[in-house]
Amino acid sequence: AQSVAQPEDQVNVAEGNPLTVKCTYSVSGNPYLFWYVQYPNRGLQFLLKYITGDNLVKGSYGFEAEFNKSQTSFHLKKPSALVSDSALYFCAVRDPGDSNYQLIWGAGTKLIIKP
Amino acid sequence: GAVVSQHPSWVICKSGTSVKIECRSLDFQATTMFWYRQFPKQSLMLMATSNEGSKATYEQGVEKDKFLINHASLTLSTLTVTSAHPEDSSFYICSAAQERLGGYNSPLHFGNGTRLTVT
Repeated sequence: AQSVAQPEDQVNVAEGNPLTVKCTYSVSGNPYLFWYVQYPNRGLQFLLKYITGDNLVKGSYGFEAEFNKSQTSFHLKKPSALVSDSALYFCAVRDPGDSNYQLIWGAGTKLIIKP
Repeated sequence: GAVVSQHPSWVICKSGTSVKIECRSLDFQATTMFWYRQFPKQSLMLMATSNEGSKATYEQGVEKDKFLINHASLTLSTLTVTSAHPEDSSFYICSAAQERLGGYNSPLHFGNGTRLTVT
């Protein structure tokens, strides 16, 4: 069955330190991979996606993610965290074999950046 | 950029009444919209796929008679929670894809959500 795992419910990072939010997936073939961020009482905002090509993808607000096919991972990273990065982060996958726009979602990771 | 407007942002209603939530794609057309429910423990639950001009496709366990979805145009989908009860209190979010731009590698664009409280 297709699935997305975000193994950490919460990640705590000191401001200025690098951050990583983990995501692994189980989807057949070459999936489309997405990261979204959600601020309190708001909808989700698209951060970045991997479709094909360079394994390192750069997105909004200085975030990047690295696609690792052998480890079936798509971890979200940022070199230097800001307090304003504190939010809920979702990893999502779409199977290109499915002719629809539906996404398979991870459970979300709460990122807390401490000053 | 693609904007999805969701209204209202919050609503409080009495048990037994119905509540309608609107989701509009402001600058693009969306044949398909998705309705999610988000629980306090973070996770997003897909409730249904709203299809323009046809019936919505509901996920298993979602009562179609309770959560009525209408997608009458390419820019508007509505979710009506009928005879709402306190257990329906939740955060409801809609989303849509800019289908004509990137195909199936397009990201979804989300409304800002609706906080429903049923008293």
